[in-house]
Amino acid sequence: EAAVTQSPRNKVTVTGGNVTLSCRQTNSHNYMYWYRQDTGHGLRLIHYSYGAGNLQIGDVPDGYKATRTTQEDFFLLLELASPSQTSLYFCASSDALGASQNTLYFGAGTRLSVL
Amino acid sequence: QEKVQQSPESLIVPEGAMVSLNCSFSDSASQSIWWYQQHPGKGPKALISIFSNGNKKEGRLTVYLNRASLHVSLHIKDSQPSDSAVYLCAVRSNTGANTGKLTFGHGTILRVHP
Repeated sequence: EAAVTQSPRNKVTVTGGNVTLSCRQTNSHNYMYWYRQDTGHGLRLIHYSYGAGNLQIGDVPDGYKATRTTQEDFFLLLELASPSQTSLYFCASSDALGASQNTLYFGAGTRLSVL
Repeated sequence: QEKVQQSPESLIVPEGAMVSLNCSFSDSASQSIWWYQQHPGKGPKALISIFSNGNKKEGRLTVYLNRASLHVSLHIKDSQPSDSAVYLCAVRSNTGANTGKLTFGHGTILRVHP
């Protein structure tokens, strides 16, 4: 089974704080994604990447940066955290973006609270 | 951008019941539709997908896709307490800059009581 590991699992920070969420996949997948999940909004795509050094903008990118350092590692950065970024964050990986049978494999999530 | 709506918002059924979940989407040219299952404290997990009009059966799961009515449904036969979870409908776009991207619905919360 494909493996995606997120850290930390829980994080509390203050408004204006600096936060980095980490994600590692051992699936040899090309694509990695960051989503946030909020009641009333469902899962929304923040950023994604199709390889080391690549970054693509998702649907809700404002206030977030991301960096893909290797095929395995994808980081989400909140440089000036705001209470509106309190959410449950998921990382996912997949083999390809456009393939119709492409399955996303998700990590267990990071719950972030910005006070 | 693709819009995905799910109904009902929540559902409580007795063990052994047939469960029916609905999903409507906005783009008839959408590439494929996926159902994901999410247990509390876990990430979503892919259950079943469909690409062509018609139905597809895998074990206790059957999914029906009608592109003309922009509707897909998931049916769970002989539901079990372990099926209690949030079910997410996701539609893969086939249009322009959104090609290949998944848009998720808000989910249906299912509880199966013993």
